Amino acid sequence: GAGVSQSPSNKVTEKGKDVELRCDPISGHTALYWYRQSLGQGLEFLIYFQGNSAPDKSGLPSDRFSAERTGGSVSTLTIQRTQQEDSAVYLCASSSHRRGTVNSPLHFGNGTRLTVT
Amino acid sequence: DQQVKQNSPSLSVQEGRISILNCDYTNSMFDYFLWYKKYPAEGPTFLISISSIKDKNEDGRFTVFLNKSAKHLSLHIVPSQPGDSAVYFCAASPKTGTASKLTFGTGTRLQVTL
Repeated sequence: GAGVSQSPSNKVTEKGKDVELRCDPISGHTALYWYRQSLGQGLEFLIYFQGNSAPDKSGLPSDRFSAERTGGSVSTLTIQRTQQEDSAVYLCASSSHRRGTVNSPLHFGNGTRLTVT
Repeated sequence: DQQVKQNSPSLSVQEGRISILNCDYTNSMFDYFLWYKKYPAEGPTFLISISSIKDKNEDGRFTVFLNKSAKHLSLHIVPSQPGDSAVYFCAASPKTGTASKLTFGTGTRLQVTL
């Protein structure tokens, strides 16, 4: 498809289990972001990939969270030993932003709703 | 530390009237500002943006105003339509030309009534 694709759309998991969330960005977009939105909260930045540069992990809330981007395209966000406070909608976005150019708008996927029971 | 603030969690406006959504920021390094619109169960979609070298940007029914001295921006929608009912997020980015990430506000839920 032409847009950002995220899977699964919904995930229910038990506390303590690991989960993997997948993001397929728009083809050709070099920048990829992960955000999350907890209930009643705004969008919280998690991690940012730009081309082959080292990712900006400054938003990851704990070392239980990690993300990788293989081949400059698909990204996986992994949450280990999930906790109830990890319940949120996890949103992936991509853009064609490059250094030296005007910021390009983010194109978001529909998100993965994670529920930790 | 909330660097981008949307102090009104919700707003109700009658169809045909003007909707004004407000956003304040604290970081003077922010140089580029965007508004996103989000429907339930969908990701946010880009609406309109403004660079700090401007104080106004207009696109159809949507106009964004930037007051740098007050560190304040607003989104005007006129006339408001029922399809505008959504959550609106203000976002800010550091100076262009650098690897950057957006900082989002907490959103304002707009309801346009008939």
